[in-house]
Amino acid sequence: SQELEQSPQSLIVQEGKNLTINCTSSKTLYGLYWYKQKYGEGLIFLMMLQKGGEEKSHEKITAKLDEKKQQSSLHITASQPSHAGIYLCGAEYSGGSNYKLTFGKGTLLTVNP
Amino acid sequence: KAGVTQTPRYLIKTRGQQVTLSCSPISGHRSVSWYQQTPGQGLQFLFEYFSETQRNKGNFPGRFSGRQFSNSRSEMNVSTLELGDSALYLCASSWGTVRTEAFFGQGTRLTVV
Repeated sequence: SQELEQSPQSLIVQEGKNLTINCTSSKTLYGLYWYKQKYGEGLIFLMMLQKGGEEKSHEKITAKLDEKKQQSSLHITASQPSHAGIYLCGAEYSGGSNYKLTFGKGTLLTVNP
Repeated sequence: KAGVTQTPRYLIKTRGQQVTLSCSPISGHRSVSWYQQTPGQGLQFLFEYFSETQRNKGNFPGRFSGRQFSNSRSEMNVSTLELGDSALYLCASSWGTVRTEAFFGQGTRLTVV
């Protein structure tokens, strides 16, 4: 099974609607990263969460980290067509000097005007 | 400040050939990580370099190798290409310490025919 599960796999919403994407880890999280990707392009950094209960916002996107559940949620308020794309969560599992991210499969978001 | 630069953007190679991809990190960043993205497997970690040393390696065959130069620029090489190596190869640049933001390049789309 996947270490990092994202849900839903895809989401279609009407412009102006709110939506939530979840990312659940089967192991203890050290850091949780959210990225957005347009098809076939690079990843755009959105937010990094480190501590349980931490919440960060950027424009209309808010992300939270629930340490007890080892879960993060990404919430978009009043969605716009510019929000469309693939949202990926990435987990940093071990502390120390080694660095790599384990990614979920992604959530494909479509926003209809 | 320039972002992460990957070259070339697109490549078409024949089975059995070898290929070299390049990544120039953000100025000052000493860590470069490489990832392979395919529709079936998603984003998978290849390896990470910090100050010219490989610190971490994913589960890929020895045909995949990399190196980092003193100016932090990194290259990855794939020898004896197989059809299954067709993918988007992404590199990420960071300061290299834990819980620090990682910024991705636009990727190199490799097609093996």
